[in-house]
Amino acid sequence: EAGVTQFPSHSVIEKGQTVTLRCDPISGHDNLYWYRRVMGKEIKFLLHFVKESKQDESGMPNNRFLAERTGGTYSTLKVQPAELEDSGVYFCASSRQGGTGSDEQFFGPGTRLTVL
Amino acid sequence: AQKVTQAQTEISVVEKEDVTLDCVYETRDTTYYLFWYKQPPSGELVFLIRRNSFDEQNEISGRYSWNFQKSTSSFNFTITASQVVDSAVYFCALSARGSTLGRLYFGRGTQLTVWP
Repeated sequence: EAGVTQFPSHSVIEKGQTVTLRCDPISGHDNLYWYRRVMGKEIKFLLHFVKESKQDESGMPNNRFLAERTGGTYSTLKVQPAELEDSGVYFCASSRQGGTGSDEQFFGPGTRLTVL
Repeated sequence: AQKVTQAQTEISVVEKEDVTLDCVYETRDTTYYLFWYKQPPSGELVFLIRRNSFDEQNEISGRYSWNFQKSTSSFNFTITASQVVDSAVYFCALSARGSTLGRLYFGRGTQLTVWP
């Protein structure tokens, strides 16, 4: 069984540009999560999809971030326009059942975003 | 509000030493789940263990053991006879019922380095 994959692994862009991150969850996992780790700080929740619906997007920092999950399969996270403080590692995770909070979340390797 | 504190930023030990990674959590929920994840140099977070708030039994898995104490709100992780392959960043995380169901709250992580 393939794990969670993320693309690209690294992205270096200039302030004001747009970047789109992609996450492919484990097949059959309805729940998809995005997290972000800014250097030296804790990993913070961004949002949670159940299939194609946004279950919780309270962690999204501002309206420059747009997440989609068309068809309930892969997800994209777009940052437009990117700012310096958006730099960090963006993790995607998926789980089969998210309704109880007990499910193990399987994480991808992350996308390291650097905004210059 | 949910919070996880990992006070140890970095720990260095020599192979075969025992090492304990501390984790202290805060939550008002009575039903919650605690997790430990390992992040090796490859970047992905690897699930190690999940504990629910009603099960305070300690757990042992090979060289790994976990000590859950509700009285001190701690969920510490001990590696016995450490090995070089244990070198990684270790994250403690919390998931609670209520409005934040599903999302994980992480500590800042502890970088463990095991020297040969």
